[in-house]
Amino acid sequence: DGGITQSPKYLFRKEGQNVTLSCEQNLNHDAMYWYRQDPGQGLRLIYYSQIVNDFQKGDIAEGYSVSREKKESFPLTVTSAQKNPTAFYLCASSINPGTGGHYGYTFGSGTRLTVV
Amino acid sequence: AQTVTQSQPEMSVQEAETVTLSCTYDTSESNYYLFWYKQPPSRQMILVIRQEAYKQQNATENRFSVNFQKAAKSFSLKISDSQLGDTAMYFCAFMKHQGGAQKLVFGQGTRLTINP
Repeated sequence: DGGITQSPKYLFRKEGQNVTLSCEQNLNHDAMYWYRQDPGQGLRLIYYSQIVNDFQKGDIAEGYSVSREKKESFPLTVTSAQKNPTAFYLCASSINPGTGGHYGYTFGSGTRLTVV
Repeated sequence: AQTVTQSQPEMSVQEAETVTLSCTYDTSESNYYLFWYKQPPSRQMILVIRQEAYKQQNATENRFSVNFQKAAKSFSLKISDSQLGDTAMYFCAFMKHQGGAQKLVFGQGTRLTINP
């Protein structure tokens, strides 16, 4: 079955460490996204990528980095510069709007990151 | 900037009742897409319903329907014959186009509880 796989489900980070969250999709979607979810708040966009080897900052990109070397993969690195990284992170993908699709996103099941 | 507002942080109804969740948005675009997503305790984001702004007819998916009022920039979700499995966070989202990309902007969510 096609879908998006995020791993790990739970991740613990020590102060000063960088950690990388994995996101893989087999839907042949062109665009991929990373969102952060905090209690009492909606989802906020961190980074997005429309095509391979290209990505743009979202609304809260500071302290995060991404890469898009393959169409299927869009890993997110939470760097030590992110002062409050404890949150739930969701990866999503969508059809490129140029192909006529505006059907929203397909989401992964998320990664819960906790600073210890 | 586009914003999405959900004015009801929490709602609670009895099983089999009908419930309406409110959503308003702000945009200067004339053509856009609106979505309702459901996030159950598993935290998986699930698309509930989608509305294209240029269509006058309100979207319907089984027990879920919307009341789309374009002039008022209102997009409410009605759940009929509510079931225990409808218990979840519900997010309203607006799709905006920026630089050729399509990005979803989310409201803060409404926590809906269906009581037996």
